[in-house]
Formats: sequence, structure tokens, C-alpha cells
Amino acid sequence: IAGITQAPTSQILAAGRRMTLRCTQDMRHNAMYWYRQDLGLGLRLIHYSNTAGTTGKGEVPDGYSVSRANTDDFPLTLASAVPSQTSVYFCASRAGGDDEQFFGPGTRLTVL
Amino acid sequence: RKEVEQDPGPFNVPEGATVAFNCTYSNSASQSFFWYRQDCRKEPKLLMSVYSSGNEDGRFTAQLNRASQYISLLIRDSKLSDSATYLCVVNMLMEYGNKLVFGAGTILRVKS
Repeated sequence: IAGITQAPTSQILAAGRRMTLRCTQDMRHNAMYWYRQDLGLGLRLIHYSNTAGTTGKGEVPDGYSVSRANTDDFPLTLASAVPSQTSVYFCASRAGGDDEQFFGPGTRLTVL
Repeated sequence: RKEVEQDPGPFNVPEGATVAFNCTYSNSASQSFFWYRQDCRKEPKLLMSVYSSGNEDGRFTAQLNRASQYISLLIRDSKLSDSATYLCVVNMLMEYGNKLVFGAGTILRVKS
């Protein structure tokens, strides 16, 4: 693994189903983030984690949950998916406050 | 008012042209600034950081005006490969730590 990986690459999901998007980084970065990107709205922060064991809510957290059991992994869970959660989801990480933020390749999620 | 605002474009320019993008931000306590580039259906990647004194990287020049709270990106001698969406990013200091706020992006199309 080099950088950040996300899985799955894409997914079509029935409304009401539970789904976990996976994110793993091998750069030992402290901070990790989940964004969604929708046309015309740019990247919006869903949840973040400044360090392993801590998480926080971003701009659009409703309907999503995260955990940060270790430094490398930061999964995002949709407990009961709704069509408005159709989006492209990017995971990101960075070492510290002013450092570059690196993004994963994204997960395209469609909720029908 | 959005925290970071950009002209969405698209900017359609011929090869070899010079093009400039501006971005305004609302939080005067913002700490650092970046331009990211995003290709279609790909993750954002850092193009350059923006320093108070302005900085240049080849054909790209970034400027910061703290008094007016805007950031600019100038691209000289545009290439076809410059076609992408350019994201203005502002690092804001919040009570829980640093938060990167992304503009919605400016679309650039360079044509032959």
C-alpha cells in the first residue's frame, strides 16, 4: 500500500441498507477526514479524526458514523442509506496542522 | 456567505493563454492557503501552497492578499493538460484544531 486506499471503488446500494466505506493510510498520519463531493457544492467535511481514538463531526455528519481504532484505518458507516447520500466520498489524511492533505481515490456511492 | 468562494467558470482558453483565478475567504483568522487540482472523476491533489509573499512554481504563480482576504492563481502559457478543476483551500483554526475549507472549484478548459 502506498498512500491512501479506499474500498469499494463504487457501489450501488438499496435505500435502508447499511454500508461501510473503508479507508486505510500507510503514512502514519495523525489526522484523517471523510468528505463528500457533490456537483456545485464542492467538498464537504463529514467527520474527522485528529488522532487515533478521537473523532469529531464535520459540516454534514447526519446519517454517518466513524471510528478510529488505530492510526491507519478510518471507516465511514451509513447506518441506513438514503438516496440523498448518493455522492462521491473521499477519505483524506495529513500529518499535522499546516501539512498537505492527501486524498484517497474516492468511492462512488449510489443509493436507490 | 460561503467560507470560501470561487468563480465556478468554466474558463475556456486557447493553448498558450494566460488565465487567472481568484478566491475569497471569510475568516480573517485563516492560517494557511493552498491550491489543489482535481481532474475529472479523480481525487484532489495539491498544486501549490500560497505564501504571504507570493510564490511561483514554473508557469504557476499564487498570490495572497490578507487585507482583502483573497487568493489568486495565475497560469501562464496554458497547456491542454492544465484542463482541470482548481480548488481554493483555506486552513482555518477552529476550537478543535485546524480545518481545511474547500471552495467549490473553478473549471478550466484549455483548447487547441
